[in-house]
Amino acid sequence: EPEVTQTPSHQVTQMGQEVILRCVPISNHLYFYWYRQILGQKVEFLVSFYNNEISEKSEIFDDQFSVERPDGSNFTLKIRSTKLEDSAMYFCASITGKGEKLFFGSGTQLSVL
Amino acid sequence: AQRVTQPEKLLSVFKGAPVELKCNYSYSGSPELFWYVQYSRQRLQLLLRHISRESIKGFTADLNKGETSFHLKKPFAQEEDSAMYYCALSGYSSASKIIFGSGTRLSIRP
Repeated sequence: EPEVTQTPSHQVTQMGQEVILRCVPISNHLYFYWYRQILGQKVEFLVSFYNNEISEKSEIFDDQFSVERPDGSNFTLKIRSTKLEDSAMYFCASITGKGEKLFFGSGTQLSVL
Repeated sequence: AQRVTQPEKLLSVFKGAPVELKCNYSYSGSPELFWYVQYSRQRLQLLLRHISRESIKGFTADLNKGETSFHLKKPFAQEEDSAMYYCALSGYSSASKIIFGSGTRLSIRP
């Protein structure tokens, strides 16, 4: 079965630093998502991306966050100036279209010190 | 407001016993309901969705619109069913975001 790939699996950074989390969605998928899960809490929606633009974003996805699909294959999440509360597992996901199965990556564990 | 509620954080049952993981939802419209599972050290994966009306690994879930519930059931639990289970919903109108419940950890005792 095809997989969504995320790198790195773990990222440790200092508060205030910029981080970029990388994802390679499945090649024929059209919709892309970022979710996060703070330890012990639920999986939270951050942003959805379609046709090279954000289609929906949550309250969590403030000006410190941005997403990009720079080269038609990678899908990145950038956090401009990390805060302690950004520490979480970040999941990328993709689907071919409406109502289809959502495929998740294995996640990037971000630790902000 | 769109919301998914899983009232149980932890459910522990003996092997061979029936399992029911509860899920209630709130959504203005007709949502699509899912169950996702996360086994230890593995990624989130789709277990089943209500439009498919299928049984995966012995699990079934029926959408009850009157009670706004989508409980996950299995008649005889197996040890390999131990995992984190998330109920989730999305809207039909577009490939919109999926909203997850807080999850239930299912532990099967031998």
